[in-house]
Amino acid sequence: QKEVEQNSGPLSVPEGAIASLNCTYSDRGSQSFFWYRQYSGKSPELIMFIYSNGDKEDGRFTAQLNKASQYVSLLIRDSQPSDSATYLCAVIKAGGTSYGKLTFGQGTILTVHP
Amino acid sequence: DTEVTQTPKHLVMGMTNKKSLKCEQHMGHRAMYWYKQKAKKPPELMFVYSYEKLSINESVPSRFSPECPNSSLLNLHLHALQPEDSALYLCASSPRTGGSGANVLTFGAGSRLTVL
Repeated sequence: QKEVEQNSGPLSVPEGAIASLNCTYSDRGSQSFFWYRQYSGKSPELIMFIYSNGDKEDGRFTAQLNKASQYVSLLIRDSQPSDSATYLCAVIKAGGTSYGKLTFGQGTILTVHP
Repeated sequence: DTEVTQTPKHLVMGMTNKKSLKCEQHMGHRAMYWYKQKAKKPPELMFVYSYEKLSINESVPSRFSPECPNSSLLNLHLHALQPEDSALYLCASSPRTGGSGANVLTFGAGSRLTVL
């Protein structure tokens, strides 16, 4: 079982729609959860992070965390063509030999079509 | 200054060459990282430095040698690389290591390495 799993997609949504990206993780000791966006040929850029159960909103983006289900999601409202990119879910463990290690999922390719 | 600067942006080297990748940040961060990313794959952690000391080495081959001369600089020395080492090498920094939600990694633009 992979530590962090995402549906690789591609996920295609029309402009203006809500894009829903999902991520599951295997280690219950995971403490913090991040969503990064990566355009082709560029480096990852942080969208938002979450570490408490529930929702966290930032502009058009909402992250949702459910630690009991080991599930984290990212909703993008009013999707724009400029949102087309690979979205990487990443997890940091709280302790053990991997303390501080940020582990990425495979990424979900999102395409927003006009 | 909220940037992580990596040089060079592109590097082509032969298998017998010795070269170095450089990374610099002036955000006062005390943790610095090297990641390797192959095409259509997620970044994979190579090394973590915490307060200028190597804290994580993900069993990286010795042909990759990291160095952290001070809290702002991180180098990756390359020697006798193989063609399969061609990849995008990403440097990142964060305030510190650890699982705190505020410990966000900021990535540099990357150095694209091609080994002939």
